[in-house]
Amino acid sequence: GQQVMQIPQYQHVQEGEDFTTYCNSSTTLSNIQWYKQRPGGHPVFLIQLVKSGEVKKQKRLTFQFGEAKKNSSLHITATQTTDVGTYFCAGRPPGGYQKVTFGIGTKLQVIP
Amino acid sequence: KAGVTQTPRYLIKTRGQQVTLSCSPISGHRSVSWYQQTPGQGLQFLFEYFSETQRNKGNFPGRFSGRQFSNSRSEMNVSTLELGDSALYLCASSLEGQGRDTQYFGPGTRLTVL
Repeated sequence: GQQVMQIPQYQHVQEGEDFTTYCNSSTTLSNIQWYKQRPGGHPVFLIQLVKSGEVKKQKRLTFQFGEAKKNSSLHITATQTTDVGTYFCAGRPPGGYQKVTFGIGTKLQVIP
Repeated sequence: KAGVTQTPRYLIKTRGQQVTLSCSPISGHRSVSWYQQTPGQGLQFLFEYFSETQRNKGNFPGRFSGRQFSNSRSEMNVSTLELGDSALYLCASSLEGQGRDTQYFGPGTRLTVL
């Protein structure tokens, strides 16, 4: 079955440093979504990427979808303490009745 | 619009018992998906319901079951509980489901099996 791998699993950064998490799928994806889960909270949708090579920005967050639609990345510029949480990617294969597979998540700690 | 609600928020059960968790989706959403979240395994997909029909199922034993009602509310049931079933159970609702659109997660039910 489809596997979605996400690295790193944990990342500690000093406030102000950049951060990147990578997501790789074993199969081509129809779309990829990113979610953020704050400590003690539930996952909250950040963005969806659909097109090959797509790049989207949300303030300090930059999301990329690979040309082959099998990988994706989330980059945060100049991290802040409010960025703390776990970031999940979720990939959906093409075709009719498909389910979303989540990566294991990257837990980000920002040291003030 | 009210968000996704889940009840109860916390549950403590013993091995061998059964449990029923409830999820009320956002008004107008017809898809409800269930996930199990544990520290080592991340978010594991259980099943998805759309218009009262199970559309997808994850790799969980038959002890895990679910259903969806005509008002889109969903329940999941776990029978013969095992220690390993201790987890946060999240439900998520969306308009179309199947990962085509945004999933809105509820706060989850924290299940502890003793």
